[in-house]
Amino acid sequence: DIQMTQSPSSLSASVGDSVTITCRSSQTIDRSLNWYQQKSGKAPKLLISASSSLQSGVPSRFRGSGSGTDFTLTIGSLQPEDLAIYYCQQTDSLPYSFGQGTKLELK
Amino acid sequence: QVQLQESGPGLVKPSQTLSLTCTVSGGSDSTVKYYWTWIRQPAGKGLEWVGRVSTSGVSDYHPSLRSRVSISLDTSESQFSLTLFSVTAADTAVYYCARETEEMTSPSWGLYDYYYYMNVWGKGTTVIVSS
Repeated sequence: DIQMTQSPSSLSASVGDSVTITCRSSQTIDRSLNWYQQKSGKAPKLLISASSSLQSGVPSRFRGSGSGTDFTLTIGSLQPEDLAIYYCQQTDSLPYSFGQGTKLELK
Repeated sequence: QVQLQESGPGLVKPSQTLSLTCTVSGGSDSTVKYYWTWIRQPAGKGLEWVGRVSTSGVSDYHPSLRSRVSISLDTSESQFSLTLFSVTAADTAVYYCARETEEMTSPSWGLYDYYYYMNVWGKGTTVIVSS
């Protein structure tokens, strides 16, 4: 099974800051990496698929990049509504697996 | 617009069987390949992929659950179901159903890449395993 490791586990930033979350896979997954946002008490929401493809309706301040084993999610100009836990997920091979999550808090 | 809704008992006794249903409404693009998926999340913890069923009825399961899980599709009722046998407290979680989409891209002539992602989710249902 492919293991996904996110860093940091938690992150505190101010409105307007740019933040970066890193996701690393235990083996190469090409670009089969998705990012989800989960707000408290809600289902996850797909933000980015295939490493860098922004989903319709997702603000352009969210940007994904990477291939192989190293990936990043960057949120530019952080907004109050970005408070959430962010998960990466590999869909290169079954069983699909998620990172442990990065909790984003606002200062 | 496709919507998913989970339903089923919120409390199951240890060693018994957990059964959940996901009802699909709104219709999907018939030219796109989909998989109907279950994902669970213990309280305060991360997401775990449980398994999926294709529109042709072929199922895939997480190896850790394969011996006691079944996911099936009922196209006539626009539903798919999760059955988990011999549950323990470790199966206590919020269970989400989701639609996994297969997307094909062609970076150059004759070459194809396939990407998979869960772009529609139900709201989730809490299942507690307790006597």
